[in-house]
Amino acid sequence: GENVEQHPSTLSVQEGDSAVIKCTYSDSASNYFPWYKQELGKRPQLIIDIRSNVGEKKDQRIAVTLNKTAKHFSLHITETQPEDSAVYFCAYGGSQGNLIFGKGTKLSVKP
Amino acid sequence: GAVVSQHPSWVICKSGTSVKIECRSLDFQATTMFWYRQFPKQSLMLMATSNEGSKATYEQGVEKDKFLINHASLTLSTLTVTSAHPEDSSFYICSARGTGQSPLHFGNGTRLTVT
Repeated sequence: GENVEQHPSTLSVQEGDSAVIKCTYSDSASNYFPWYKQELGKRPQLIIDIRSNVGEKKDQRIAVTLNKTAKHFSLHITETQPEDSAVYFCAYGGSQGNLIFGKGTKLSVKP
Repeated sequence: GAVVSQHPSWVICKSGTSVKIECRSLDFQATTMFWYRQFPKQSLMLMATSNEGSKATYEQGVEKDKFLINHASLTLSTLTVTSAHPEDSSFYICSARGTGQSPLHFGNGTRLTVT
């Protein structure tokens, strides 16, 4: 079935360090891989996405890499700041046009 | 950018009553909307896919007679939680996309508390 594994479930870093979150998906037909940031009690916010025709995409301190052969994709946040603290979800496009979400990673950035 | 409006943002109801949640795409037409549920400290789980003008498709384990979905127009889908129970208390979020490969846009979510 459609499934995505996300690791780690929690991640604590010092301000200024980098954070990396990894996901592995099962459906090889997927071609859309977004990442969402969710603050407590709020809706998920799209922070970056990548499509299967590229291997890497960067937007300021955030980057996403995709390895379709291995069915892996990762989120990289550099120079982390306290306001980066949130829960991050990876997702991929399901066969019905919906998104299949990972279980989330709670990122804590300590000042 | 594309906006999805969802309301109410929170609702408290008594056990046994029904609650309706509305989801509107404000500046685009959404032939398909998705309803997710999120329990505390958990991920978003797809409940059902709502298609304009046809019956919704429910995920395994989601009772279609309890969670009634209506998608009467290209801009409005509603989710009605019937005979709500405390275990239905959760964060319900709708999402929609326009045509092609446009991103999925989320509503602000509805925090349902059943007492």
